[in-house]
Amino acid sequence: GAVVSQHPSRVICKSGTSVKIECRSLDFQATTMFWYRQFPKQSLMLMATSNEGSKATYEQGVEKDKFLINHASLTLSTLTVTSAHPEDSSFYICSAGPGPRLVYEQYFGPGTRLTVT
Amino acid sequence: GEDVEQSLFLSVREGDSSVINCTYTDSSSTYLYWYKQEPGAGLQLLTYIFSNMDMKQDQRLTVLLNKKDKHLSLRIADTQTGDSAIYFCAETTPQGGKLIFGQGTELSVKP
Repeated sequence: GAVVSQHPSRVICKSGTSVKIECRSLDFQATTMFWYRQFPKQSLMLMATSNEGSKATYEQGVEKDKFLINHASLTLSTLTVTSAHPEDSSFYICSAGPGPRLVYEQYFGPGTRLTVT
Repeated sequence: GEDVEQSLFLSVREGDSSVINCTYTDSSSTYLYWYKQEPGAGLQLLTYIFSNMDMKQDQRLTVLLNKKDKHLSLRIADTQTGDSAIYFCAETTPQGGKLIFGQGTELSVKP
């Protein structure tokens, strides 16, 4: 149980285009979903926290107009990178919580590798 | 503020025990976690410990928590080559379940 999926797993796009990444909790309802960004050999940086049906809370330094987050249902959140640039190339990971067993447990998706050319 | 620190690399021989250390600063942490990340993959929750516990054992994994020193460790017994990965410790607080991650420790297991 407690499986989180992400789609796509890899995406290559041209500079200036927008890319949407989906995060789904497959077998539990996630009231909160988190979006992280990870650069090579580095830790995860929390970008934003989204609660179902309300606006996302962005971390300091993260542009909310560039990284649009929608959490329309208890099983789906989307991250749209608008007008992508090469510096947006990164590994994006979502997590969903609380998990079914533990109130503060988060389950992570497998990640999406974004490459902007 | 919140800060979590780990050493960056650890190399062990197959069959030995591995000990990965982590320090944190937030005394209000409620849960502390260990996650494993294999190359190109997401994070897998290995184990967690509640802040009022000193130790937790789960098969080959032993977590020790020294709350006074704000020190957390993960011991992997009989380390195997399949254990090679990056290990992240993380803490969360009562405020909102936000996870604060350490930098990750890259564990290399040599045959």
